[in-house]
Parts: sequence; C-alpha cells; structure tokens
Amino acid sequence: EAQVTQNPRYLITVTGKKLTVTCSQNMNHEYMSWYRQDPGLGLRQIYYSMNVEVTDKGDVPEGYKVSRKEKRNFPLILESPSPNQTSLYFCASSLSWGSLYSNQPQHFGDGTRLSIL
Amino acid sequence: GQQVMQIPQYQHVQEGEDFTTYCNSSTTLSNIQWYKQRPGGHPVFLIQLVKSGEVKKQKRLTFQFGEAKKNSSLHITATQTTDVGTYFCAGPSNTGKLIFGQGTTLQVKP
Repeated sequence: EAQVTQNPRYLITVTGKKLTVTCSQNMNHEYMSWYRQDPGLGLRQIYYSMNVEVTDKGDVPEGYKVSRKEKRNFPLILESPSPNQTSLYFCASSLSWGSLYSNQPQHFGDGTRLSIL
Repeated sequence: GQQVMQIPQYQHVQEGEDFTTYCNSSTTLSNIQWYKQRPGGHPVFLIQLVKSGEVKKQKRLTFQFGEAKKNSSLHITATQTTDVGTYFCAGPSNTGKLIFGQGTTLQVKP
C-alpha cells in the first residue's frame, strides 16, 4: 500500500532532550516536506527536499534540522526542543515538484503530536 | 513574503445549506491546490486548478480559480455531515515551497 509513515505518532518529552521524528515513503517520491499545524495558523512548512541530498528551509525552520540521505527517508530532528515546538507535525511527499505550472499533489502521513514540557 | 489567506476561519451550517470558503494570495499563483482534513486526520488532496478562470466540479463541490490567479474558492452545495472537516488551499512559490492558507473549519448540524 502506498503510504507515508511517521513515527512516533505521539510523544511527550522535556525541554532540551534531543528527539527525531522519522518519515518514510514507499512511493519513490522525489519531493518530501515537513509541516507543523497549529490552531489558527494552518499548515506551515518547516523544511522541504526536492531530492536526495537537497534540502531547503520552509517558512518556520528555526529549531529544526532535516536530512535526506536516501530517497525514501526524511527525518525531522529537534536538537534542543522547547515548549513552543509543541505542535502537530506532518510529513508529506509528492512525485516531484514538477514544473512551475503544475506541482504534484502532496501525500501526507498520519501526523505526530509532540508535547514539549 | 508570499502569503495565502483564507476566510472564514470557521463556518457552522445546517445540513442542506451551502458553504463557501475563499482563498486569497498576495502574489499571482501558477496553480492552486485544495485539501480536506477530517477531524483527527491528515490533509487529503482534493483538486488542482491551473488555468485563469478555471472552474472544476466534483459532485457537490465546485472549485474556482480567479481570472488574475490570485484568488480561489470552494463551494459546497447542500452540505452533508460527511463534509465536516477543515479545508485548505495551497499555492506554490517559485522556489519549491508550498504555502497553505490557515484553513476553514466546517461544522454541519444534522
């Protein structure tokens, strides 16, 4: 089954304790992205990657790191989490970014709810 | 920077009433996508509009892309309880970012 898999689904942790949220897709997609969702703010892009070894900052990259060493995986790393990073996180992938006039639809994972105390 | 604004933020309707959400971009968009997120779920792609003035229909849902390609709307005719959720529009930047609107959350009273 074609899917984007995120782990963990839920995590409660403390300020400063490094954590990694994994994301894996089995669709051979080139484009992958991380979003955070907060009430009233919609989905805000954290980082995105157009292909292996290519990553770029989205609109809210501060406090996050990513890597894209393999096509299927795109982990999100919080080196020193803080309470303002408490949020619902989504990983998404698409076949490619495509041309400027027709970017591919995004397939989302089920989300990871992070609480930083 | 590029912004995509969506209104209203919330809408409560009686089942059978119509519903519309509006999306406005600060810049001209090459295309716009719409997603639906059910409560507790993840966003699911609905449709993409590319051409100026384009109108597309999916059963009771009608999507429009403005002539200037800076605004879009989603209209649902005769809402049903299955329409409950948050609807997002999203437009691409020319650098690879996808900018989402804040979303409109639809509640339908049976």
